Amino acid sequence: TAGITQAPTSQILAAGRSMTLRCTQDMRHNAMYWYRQDLGLGLRLIHYSNTAGTTGKGEVPDGYSVSRANTDDFPLTLASAVPSQTSVYFCASSPGLAGPYEQYFGPGTRLTVT
Amino acid sequence: AQKVTQAQTEISVVEKEDVTLDCVYETRDTTYYLFWYKQPPSGELVFLIRRNSFDEQNEISGRYSWNFQKSTSSFNFTITASQVVDSAVYFCALSEANYGGSQGNLIFGKGTKLSVKP
Repeated sequence: TAGITQAPTSQILAAGRSMTLRCTQDMRHNAMYWYRQDLGLGLRLIHYSNTAGTTGKGEVPDGYSVSRANTDDFPLTLASAVPSQTSVYFCASSPGLAGPYEQYFGPGTRLTVT
Repeated sequence: AQKVTQAQTEISVVEKEDVTLDCVYETRDTTYYLFWYKQPPSGELVFLIRRNSFDEQNEISGRYSWNFQKSTSSFNFTITASQVVDSAVYFCALSEANYGGSQGNLIFGKGTKLSVKP
């Protein structure tokens, strides 16, 4: 089982350009999440989706948007990238609609905005 | 406010030593869940344990053990007889039953980097 896949693995992006980070899970999990990881700050939640068709804002949503058209996919879009969005981005999923279950993480996307 | 504090930024031990990673949390909820994740040098995040607020029993899994104490709001993680393969960044995380409308967003501590030297 693949679990969660993310693409691309890494990317260098010019400031002002747009980009979509892809995330796909094959576990039929209801909830999905996007985090960014920065040195010294740990992981911070960007956006989440409790179930297909719904999304919500996390701790650091500015400059990012998400959609959840189906259960498996949860893309993260940067409309106009800025250098402060240089980070490692992790997508995660968890099974439940009710109650916090453990989250399973993808391998991450390393993004550098120049 | 919800918060997770991992006061130890980095720990270095020699193989076979025991090591405890501290985690202190803050929450106003009576129902919450605590987690530990491991991030080895390869970068992926690996789930280790989930514990709910109603279960204060300590847990042991091989060389790993966890001590949950609600009285001190702590959920500490001990590795017994550490090995080089234990070298990683370890994250403690908190999830409330209904944080901000989500069904389980994780609030992470900043992590503790453990280096185990041969």
